[in-house]
Amino acid sequence: DARVTQTPRHKVTEMGQEVTMRCQPILGHNTVFWYRQTMMQGLELLAYFRNRAPLDDSGMPKDRFSAEMPDATLATLKIQPSEPRDSAVYFCASGLTGLGTQYFGPGTRLLVL
Amino acid sequence: DAKTTQPPSMDCAEGRAANLPCNHSTISGNEYVYWYRQIHSQGPQYIIHGLKNNETNEMASLIITEDRKSSTLILPHATLRDTAVYYCIVRVDTGFQKLVFGTGTRLLVSP
Repeated sequence: DARVTQTPRHKVTEMGQEVTMRCQPILGHNTVFWYRQTMMQGLELLAYFRNRAPLDDSGMPKDRFSAEMPDATLATLKIQPSEPRDSAVYFCASGLTGLGTQYFGPGTRLLVL
Repeated sequence: DAKTTQPPSMDCAEGRAANLPCNHSTISGNEYVYWYRQIHSQGPQYIIHGLKNNETNEMASLIITEDRKSSTLILPHATLRDTAVYYCIVRVDTGFQKLVFGTGTRLLVSP
């Protein structure tokens, strides 16, 4: 049963520290999405990759967030420096080009103190 | 993408059918209707999607009205594990069309 995996599952850090979240998409999927979920804003799309190339990161705060795909099996989302308002659950999802069928990972629960 | 309207919450007795409605009166001819759900503390889960015909899979059935302005997700025999937030999303299946999650319907299945 192929699944999207995310690490770490939980992260507590102090304001100003760097945070790196990792995602392994389902093998064969060529699109990767990063979402953020908070009680106030719900699920928001942060960034989108197709064939490892970033296509849309308009939802991401550019000054502190960065998303990359070093290879087809790994996507990373970094926050530097982290702030308390970044506390949220970050989900990674993968899929195939053009389709609305996305498969989500279990999420990384981030708490910035 | 067309906007969707869903009731904020619904209740259902265990073992009964859960019928979750969604209005999408401004849907375009090439937009699909997608349903996802999010069980507490988990990532969203794809359920089913359709364009104009009714669809059924192992999880649920999707009934789309003839004018396509509304649809109903049917869980034929709801269980306690079906308690979740259900999202109805409409989008075009070409190019990059992101999933826009609204507030969904919170379904509570009770014994």
